[in-house]
Amino acid sequence: QKEVEQNSGPLSVPEGAIASLNCTYSDRGSQSFFWYRQYSGKSPELIMSIYSNGDKEDGRFTAQLNKASQYVSLLIRDSQPSDSATYLCAKDDYKLSFGAGTTVTVRA
Amino acid sequence: NAGVTQTPKFQVLKTGQSMTLQCAQDMNHNSMYWYRQDPGMGLRLIYYSASEGTTDKGEVPNGYNVSRLNKREFSLRLESAAPSQTSVYFCASSENIGNTIYFGEGSWLTVV
Repeated sequence: QKEVEQNSGPLSVPEGAIASLNCTYSDRGSQSFFWYRQYSGKSPELIMSIYSNGDKEDGRFTAQLNKASQYVSLLIRDSQPSDSATYLCAKDDYKLSFGAGTTVTVRA
Repeated sequence: NAGVTQTPKFQVLKTGQSMTLQCAQDMNHNSMYWYRQDPGMGLRLIYYSASEGTTDKGEVPNGYNVSRLNKREFSLRLESAAPSQTSVYFCASSENIGNTIYFGEGSWLTVV
């Protein structure tokens, strides 16, 4: 079992809609979680980090963490074509472990 | 501010050849990493260096060696390249283990 599992995608949403991305992890003791965005042919860039149960909002992005259920999610509100990318979920237990990524396409 | 710089950006190797991927960071970070990215597999950690003078294996170390040359530089060596090592390689660094990781632009390696 992979340490971090992401919903397989790809995900296609119309412009202005909410994109919902989910991620589950296997180690109940994990404390730090991250969402990276990766445009095609580019390197990953950090968009959100979350350490505590609940929601964390940053602009149009909201990360949600539920340690009891071992899942972390990312909501992208008012999706824009520029949000089209692969989103990588990661957890950090002394070293960063990534999920396989979910590719999001925002249709104009 | 260059951040994390890796070279070369593209390389084609024949099976059995050796090569070294170079990585340098100018952020005075203590920790450095090498990942590979394959379609459908996400990013997998090859080796990491928590601090200057230390290196440790990650998830997929077989076929690779690393050297933490100094605080700035962390190189990845393929001694005898195999087609299974065709991948995109990312070097990354962070202030310390557990801090935000910053990635280089990637190196596209093809082994034929």
